[in-house]
Amino acid sequence: QVQLQESGPGLVKPSQTLSLTCTVSGGSISSGGYYWSWIRQHPGKGLEWIGYIDYSGSTYYNPSLKSRVTISVDTSKNQFSLKLSSVTAADTAVYYCARVPYGSGWFDPWGQGTLVTVSS
Amino acid sequence: SYVLTQPPSVSVAPGKTARITCGGNNIGSKSVHWYQQKPGQAPVLVIYYDSDRPSGIPERFSGSNSVNTATLTISRVEAGDEADYYCQVWDSSSDHPVFGGGTKLTVL
Repeated sequence: QVQLQESGPGLVKPSQTLSLTCTVSGGSISSGGYYWSWIRQHPGKGLEWIGYIDYSGSTYYNPSLKSRVTISVDTSKNQFSLKLSSVTAADTAVYYCARVPYGSGWFDPWGQGTLVTVSS
Repeated sequence: SYVLTQPPSVSVAPGKTARITCGGNNIGSKSVHWYQQKPGQAPVLVIYYDSDRPSGIPERFSGSNSVNTATLTISRVEAGDEADYYCQVWDSSSDHPVFGGGTKLTVL
């Protein structure tokens, strides 16, 4: 059973870069067949898709965040990562990683999520 | 971009049936997926492709999709079903996923 786990700093200063990693266990990113995605949820709000990557490194980003987002993959470590630059308080959110089967459109499973607070 | 509209809240008594709607322009032509999110937890997929249930999801959860409204139906509601529910589609015009605003299900 595939499991995903987010990790990274819980506190980031304004204007800096938020960096998170999602470690995949129980399955291999390099086997293909899936997109590996980041989604965030502002406190008390709904879900916002950030972007995703496939095993080859092809990326797709939410147009509203595209200028600040970079998603990368490290198949040797079975991890994929998120970098969000020039953060502000509006980027304070719980960040989730999740898997999307090719051609399906649904997210399953999800990581447990990690809260990132942007504050000086 | 494509917009999905959900009621902010739905209330239902235990043992009754809850119906949570998700409105969108011609949503019947899209595949709708539903997630359950309990407080402090990550979302869990409960319905995919309009009406299919992942393994481990009770048969009490079902879905339908027609014209401009998709519906998640929870039969014989239990206290443990109290959660936020989100619908989601893939917007082919922008080629990215879209989530509804979420519906808080309260079990009275």
